[in-house]
Formats: sequence, C-alpha cells, structure tokens
Amino acid sequence: EPEVTQTPSHQVTQMGQEVILRCVPISNHLYFYWYRQILGQKVEFLVSFYNNEISEKSEIFDDQFSVERPDGSNFTLKIRSTKLEDSAMYFCASRRLAANTGELFFGEGSRLTVL
Amino acid sequence: GNSVTQMEGPVTLSEEAFLTINCTYTATGYPSLFWYVQYPGEGLQLLLKATKADDKGSNKGFEATYRKETTSFHLEKGSVQVSDSAVYFCALSSNGYSTLTFGKGTMLLVSP
Repeated sequence: EPEVTQTPSHQVTQMGQEVILRCVPISNHLYFYWYRQILGQKVEFLVSFYNNEISEKSEIFDDQFSVERPDGSNFTLKIRSTKLEDSAMYFCASRRLAANTGELFFGEGSRLTVL
Repeated sequence: GNSVTQMEGPVTLSEEAFLTINCTYTATGYPSLFWYVQYPGEGLQLLLKATKADDKGSNKGFEATYRKETTSFHLEKGSVQVSDSAVYFCALSSNGYSTLTFGKGTMLLVSP
C-alpha cells in the first residue's frame, strides 16, 4: 500500500541551526501539507502546497519556515534558524483530491529536538 | 475560528470494555468531521469520517455520529481489543483546501 515517508525520524539540533525535514508523498497525490505537534498540545496546521506554490499557511509559518518541492518526489520543510519552541513532531501529509471530504494520508512524523 | 475539544487521556480499559471518546467542535459553515488514529511508531491514519449532519461514520467496529445540534462527534466501540491501543485524534475540515483542525488526541490503553 502506498505511504508517505518522512526522514529523519528524529533530529537533534542546536538553537540557531538550519534544519530540513524531508517527505516523499504518495506518488499520484497533488496536495501536500505540513503539520506539527508540540508535546502535549494539539496537532497544528503549518502549510499546504499545490501546483508548486503555497496555497495556505498558518500564523505559525513565519519567515523562518519555507517549503519546497525540489523534484518530482520530495517535499521539504526548512527551518532557517531553529528556536527552542520549534521542538515538536512534524507530520507531512498528502492528498490526491482537493475536496474536504477526501482522506489525508500522513507520514510517521519527524521529531525535532532543539537544544 | 475552528476548534476541536477532546476528552483528556489516557483512557485505560480492559479488553472487551465499551469505549467512548468525547469530541466537540466549533466551526463556521458545515464542516466534515474525522477521527484519525495513530498506532505506536506509525503515522496518523484515517479511521472514519462523516460529511454532513446525522451521518454515521464506521470502520473496524468504531462508530461516530455527526450531531449538529450538540456539535459533537463522539467515538464509540462496543468491545475494545488490546490492538486498539493507540492515540485517537478528532478533526474537522471546513474549507476548500481541506486543512484539518485537530484536537489534542486521546491515548487509549487496553489491557488483556
């Protein structure tokens, strides 16, 4: 069964360092998302991406964050200068169709720890 | 704005017990409602969904009914198994880009 894969599963970094989290969405999907969950808190929407551009972003997704689809398969989230409060589990997701009744497929998550 | 509130966990049950996990929501318009499940070491998976009032979503013995009058979407299962141990997330979507608003998640622990 096709699945969304994420790497790394866990990354530890120093405050101020750049981090890139990678995702390979399901191959025939057209809509891509990043969500995050700070420990003990809600899963929060960060950004959605369609047709090689951001279609929606939350207040969390400030200038420190960027997303890219550098080739036909990868979808990356970059944090330019990490802060302690960026420590969280980051989930990538993809969907084939736009309708809000459609299923979103999630990866296993990348845990980011900022020291 | 949209929000989802779930009961706090963990919920600890013995095998074959009845499960209810409460979920209430606040949303504009007519949202679609979802339950996602995350088993240990895995990503979030769609468990069931309902797209309009009074719809009942069901899968793997789990059920939830979309109650507009009480803005609720409680998850139920008549007889839980050890393999149901996981974190359960209630979520809604109310816009064309299908951005999901999640609750905090409820951990379910089922013992033999």
